[in-house]
Amino acid sequence: QKEVEQDPGPLSVPEGAIVSLNCTYSNSAFQYFMWYRQYSRKGPELLMYTYSSGNKEDGRFTAQVDKSSKYISLFIRDSQPSDSATYLCAMIRAGGTSYGKLTFGQGTILTVHP
Amino acid sequence: DTGVSQDPRHKITKRGQNVTFRCDPISEHNRLYWYRQTLGQGPEFLTYFQNEAQLEKSRLLSDRFSAERPKGSFSTLEIQRTEQGDSAMYLCASTDTGGSYNEQFFGPGTRLTVL
Repeated sequence: QKEVEQDPGPLSVPEGAIVSLNCTYSNSAFQYFMWYRQYSRKGPELLMYTYSSGNKEDGRFTAQVDKSSKYISLFIRDSQPSDSATYLCAMIRAGGTSYGKLTFGQGTILTVHP
Repeated sequence: DTGVSQDPRHKITKRGQNVTFRCDPISEHNRLYWYRQTLGQGPEFLTYFQNEAQLEKSRLLSDRFSAERPKGSFSTLEIQRTEQGDSAMYLCASTDTGGSYNEQFFGPGTRLTVL
């Protein structure tokens, strides 16, 4: 079983929809939780990170972490065609942020159609 | 462009050949990571360097793989006697250290196809 599980989709939504992306994990040592966006044939780029449990909002994006359930989410409001990409969740173990080894989920392919 | 760069962007090789990839991190980033991403999967950690020292290697990094970071600047990843299972995107990322959270910046990757 993988440490981080993510539904690969694909997920297809109309423009303007609210998108919900999720990951579950098994290792309680994870403390930093990230969401990356990856366009085709490009490297991942960081969207947001959250330390421990809680919510974080940045524009149309909201990240939630529930450590008790080992469950993280990313919500995208008013989705745009330019949001079409693969979304990867990633995690870092406690005390290890300066060592920084990322453990990724499989990635969810999102398509927002006009 | 001051981002992470990787060369080549694409490499096609025949099984059994050796290949070498290069990564140039963001200037003054002291930590450099290599990841491998196969089709439909998330990146998987291979190894990382703190300056010129290689501090950790994944068990995914068989003895056919070797990585170096001479002088703590650019890094190379060599694969000897390539196999079809080595076909993947090889990603490099760099970061500085010292803060409570240090973002890893990824390069565009090198896509390897082994025929």
